[in-house]
Amino acid sequence: GDSVTQTEGQVALSEEDFLTIHCNYSASGYPALFWYVQYPGEGPQFLFRASRDKEKGSSRGFEATYDKGTTSFHLRKASVQESDSAVYYCALGDLTGANTGKLTFGHGTILRVHP
Amino acid sequence: DTTVKQNPRYKLARVGKPVNLICSQTMNHDTMYWYQKKPNQAPKLLLFYYDKILNREADTFEKFQSSRPNNSFCSLYIGSAGLEYSAMYLCASSRESNTGQLYFGEGSKLTVL
Repeated sequence: GDSVTQTEGQVALSEEDFLTIHCNYSASGYPALFWYVQYPGEGPQFLFRASRDKEKGSSRGFEATYDKGTTSFHLRKASVQESDSAVYYCALGDLTGANTGKLTFGHGTILRVHP
Repeated sequence: DTTVKQNPRYKLARVGKPVNLICSQTMNHDTMYWYQKKPNQAPKLLLFYYDKILNREADTFEKFQSSRPNNSFCSLYIGSAGLEYSAMYLCASSRESNTGQLYFGEGSKLTVL
């Protein structure tokens, strides 16, 4: 079945550091790829998606580019802030059918940003 | 208002007892989902309603039940809780817009003793 692998379980950075969270996927079809963010005490929130090869998704200074060749969708941000501390989930899903909420999530990456 | 509300936020249950979790949304979304999240694991889809049609994942088919009495409400029911049911249960909803954008509630944390 489909799967998503996030390499980092936890990432600790200082403010203004560059962030990369690695996400690789395995899917039989041509899935859409997503990033969700979960702040403490809240549910996960949609960050952005990309639906085709080489498409870049972005929001709030975060970005990721769909790479079908390497089956990756790595999350990057040039300069993190303490307020970015959260859990980040990579996910995939099929947007072509009726069941577009059937997302397969990665385990999540805990980001801690120190002032 | 893009809010999904879940009740209770915390639930303590005894082994063998039933558990009922409630979710509501006022966005008139067609689809509502229940995900289970355990520590160090990915959120796992348990089931979802598209309008009034219930779809349950194959490996959770007999463990969870659900009802959706109207568009706004959806429940998750466990008939006899076991220790393995201890988890965070996340409810989400989405429009029929093929965007894959889900709106999640804050979750209901179930502890089974």
